[in-house]
This record gives sequence, structure tokens and C-alpha cells, in this order.
Amino acid sequence: EDKVVQSPLSLVVHEGDTVTLNCSYEVTNFRSLLWYKQEKKAPTFLFMLTSSGIEKKSGRLSSILDKKELFSILNITATQTGDSAVYLCAVVPYLQGGSEKLVFGKGTKLTVNP
Amino acid sequence: NAGVTQTPKFRILKIGQSMTLQCTQDMNHNYMYWYRQDPGMGLKLIYYSVGAGITDKGEVPNGYNVSRSTTEDFPLRLELAAPSQTSVYFCASSTGTSNQPQHFGDGTRLSIL
Repeated sequence: EDKVVQSPLSLVVHEGDTVTLNCSYEVTNFRSLLWYKQEKKAPTFLFMLTSSGIEKKSGRLSSILDKKELFSILNITATQTGDSAVYLCAVVPYLQGGSEKLVFGKGTKLTVNP
Repeated sequence: NAGVTQTPKFRILKIGQSMTLQCTQDMNHNYMYWYRQDPGMGLKLIYYSVGAGITDKGEVPNGYNVSRSTTEDFPLRLELAAPSQTSVYFCASSTGTSNQPQHFGDGTRLSIL
């Protein structure tokens, strides 16, 4: 059974801190890994990772994938209160015939205090 | 710039009632998905569709039905609501190509009492 495990489940930091969120996975025929940020409503897309060792970066957020060790990390530097959210990791297994059946972890709830 | 639109935003049902959650997208995406999200849990796939007229079960399909008569719309039907179906429901769509992510609607919060 395909599985995604995120850690920690919850994290409280102060503004300006740097945080690292972890995502490990077990999936047959890995295709890609995605990170989403979920505030009050819809998950919003952050990164898609398909290749090991290539860092994706967007402002203060960055992410990298290790396909040998089956994990990914999401880094947020100089955190701000607006970074407070649940961060979801999802894996896409390769399926014959297509479709993108995301397998989600439970998420990491990040709280950034001023 | 609507993207994925879900209605209603929230609803309370009595046990045994039925209802349809609406989802429409204006991005001409072929692939559409329904997820449910329980408190403290990730999203679980209920049903998905790779194009008009084609639907398939996800991880947790029991108690739900879907149809896909047009590219834009993908309604989710609950026939006999049960308390276990209390959840937040998200609809998503994508092009289906490997380098494009799924885009999510704002969700429908459903309580069954």
C-alpha cells in the first residue's frame, strides 16, 4: 500500500526562525512528489519534484527530493506569521493509463508566532 | 479567473438525506478528482475522472456516486448520508500531464447529524 508520512505533525516557531519539514514515502513506481500549503481553504501548490538532488526554490521556500532514501524536505527560512498553515506532502505513483492519484500525508501544522 | 468552483461552501444534513456537491472548472482540464479531508488527516481520494463519460473509484468510494457528463462539471452525490461522511470535501482538476499539479477548489464543509 502506498504511504506518505510527514513529520513533525505540529511545529511552533518564532518569526525569523528557519524550519525544516519532512516527508518520507513508500510507493510503487514513483512518479513525482508535491508540496502544498493549506491555510483556511484550498491547498495551494508549492513545488513538484521528480528528480533527486535538484533543489526547487521560491523566495524563502525550498525543497529537495532524495529518491534513494525516499524522502523530501521543505525548508522555510526567515519565517513570517503568514507562513502559518498546514503543509501537505503528496506522492504520485505511476499508473498505466494515466491519472494523477495523489497519496497524501497527514500534513505538518506550522504556527509562526510574532 | 475562477479555477475550480465548489458549491455549497457548507451544509448540514440529517442522517439518511441525500445531496449533491457541485464542482465546476473553467480551465478545460480533462482530469477531475474528489477528496475528503477529516480533521488531522490528509486528503483521501473518493473518485476521479480522466474525461467526460469516464469515472473510476479512488481509495474511499463507498457511500458516494459521481458522474461526468461534461468536461467542466464533476458532481459528487451522497445518497444516504451517514455521520461518518461528515468531512470537508475538495474537488480538484488537472491537465493530467506529468509536470502539471492538481488545482483545488475551496472545499465544502459537510456535517451530518
